[in-house]
Amino acid sequence: DQQVKQNSPSLSVQEGRISILNCDYTNSMFDYFLWYKKYPAEGPTFLISISSIKDKNEDGRFTVFLNKSAKHLSLHIVPSQPGDSAVYFCAASATTSGSARQLTFGSGTQLTVLP
Amino acid sequence: DAGVTQSPTHLIKTRGQQVTLRCSPKSGHDTVSWYQQALGQGPQFIFQYYEEEERQRGNFPDRFSGHQFPNYSSELNVNALLLGDSALYLCASSLRGLNEQYFGPGTRLTVT
Repeated sequence: DQQVKQNSPSLSVQEGRISILNCDYTNSMFDYFLWYKKYPAEGPTFLISISSIKDKNEDGRFTVFLNKSAKHLSLHIVPSQPGDSAVYFCAASATTSGSARQLTFGSGTQLTVLP
Repeated sequence: DAGVTQSPTHLIKTRGQQVTLRCSPKSGHDTVSWYQQALGQGPQFIFQYYEEEERQRGNFPDRFSGHQFPNYSSELNVNALLLGDSALYLCASSLRGLNEQYFGPGTRLTVT
């Protein structure tokens, strides 16, 4: 049972345009969400995160939107650049007793930004 | 400022053997998590360590075990290797209680 789903395995966007990557989750206990970018032969790189008490968080060209009622989040990249071409993972975490924090990942979306 | 480091980079083992992977966390971090990433999938949580104890565990068998040392570095041990254990093993470090985890480059394990 996939608790975090990224239904689009791939996305192609023209340089300078907006890239929108989507993620859905099923576990109502998730209260923190993160996006990671991964280049081949490297580990995932943390991009941006959002707590469930917010519906938007912005950092430079990256904005994450959270719709709790729909259990949906999206990552917007504006403007898209060729260097943004990578696999993007959505991840979620649930606050539990104690301080341990387990991340549950989606299967990723390959973004290709065309020059 | 050194990020998360992992060793070795690549490893080839035979079914039934045992393997140990190593991780040094980012400077200032006290918590280490291990993930397994199969081809075409997202990372799957194995376990998390802080204060030298396993604090949370994912859905992995007891063949997977770990250790955290006083300097916060960590090891992942896998016994009785199966072909299905072939994957990229990622180590991530963080500050205790925080969600943002920072990943190393991974160790590619191939079981033949």
